[in-house]
Amino acid sequence: EDQVTQSPEALRLQEGESSSLNCSYTVSGLRGLFWYRQDPGKGPEFLFTLYSAGEEKEKERLKATLTKKESFLHITAPKPEDSATYLCAVQAMDSNYQLIWGAGTKLIIKP
Amino acid sequence: DVKVTQSSRYLVKRTGEKVFLECVQDMDHENMFWYRQDPGLGLRLIYFSYDVKMKEKGDIPEGYSVSREKKERFSLILESASTNQTSMYLCASSRTVRETQYFGPGTRLLVL
Repeated sequence: EDQVTQSPEALRLQEGESSSLNCSYTVSGLRGLFWYRQDPGKGPEFLFTLYSAGEEKEKERLKATLTKKESFLHITAPKPEDSATYLCAVQAMDSNYQLIWGAGTKLIIKP
Repeated sequence: DVKVTQSSRYLVKRTGEKVFLECVQDMDHENMFWYRQDPGLGLRLIYFSYDVKMKEKGDIPEGYSVSREKKERFSLILESASTNQTSMYLCASSRTVRETQYFGPGTRLLVL
């Protein structure tokens, strides 16, 4: 069964303390992996799309990487405004349109 | 910038009422989606539309219907609202089914 698992469920960091969020997936073949950020009470905001193992993308303090079984979202020297829930979604090769969503990682950055 | 708007941020309805949630996108996207999001369950697809008047059921279509009369507008209808439909409802659109889905701000629905 296709599945996406995000870990940890929640992560508390001090401002400036770098860390990584994990998104592991099991699909028959990967078409694309998407990272979103979601603030409380709002819709998800698109961050990155990754298509093949070895691919990396960066935006400000965030860097997303992809292997054949998982993706990492690395956060370097985070600030309190990086606090949010980070969602990962995967589209399988045999899917017409469906995304398989992880449950998210809630990130809290303390000043 | 892609913009997806939803008609209400918050709604309170009574059990048995008919509820309309509307979504509009301004990027001429072919595809539009309705999800619901509940704590610990992630996003679950209710319905998907790939063209005007065309729709497909998602994972949890029971108790919902949709309407897409114009390309830019996708409506979610709760025929007879129930308390277990209390949730956050999210609309999204994408240019093709393989491309990024862009989300609206969400509608938090409370059914009493």
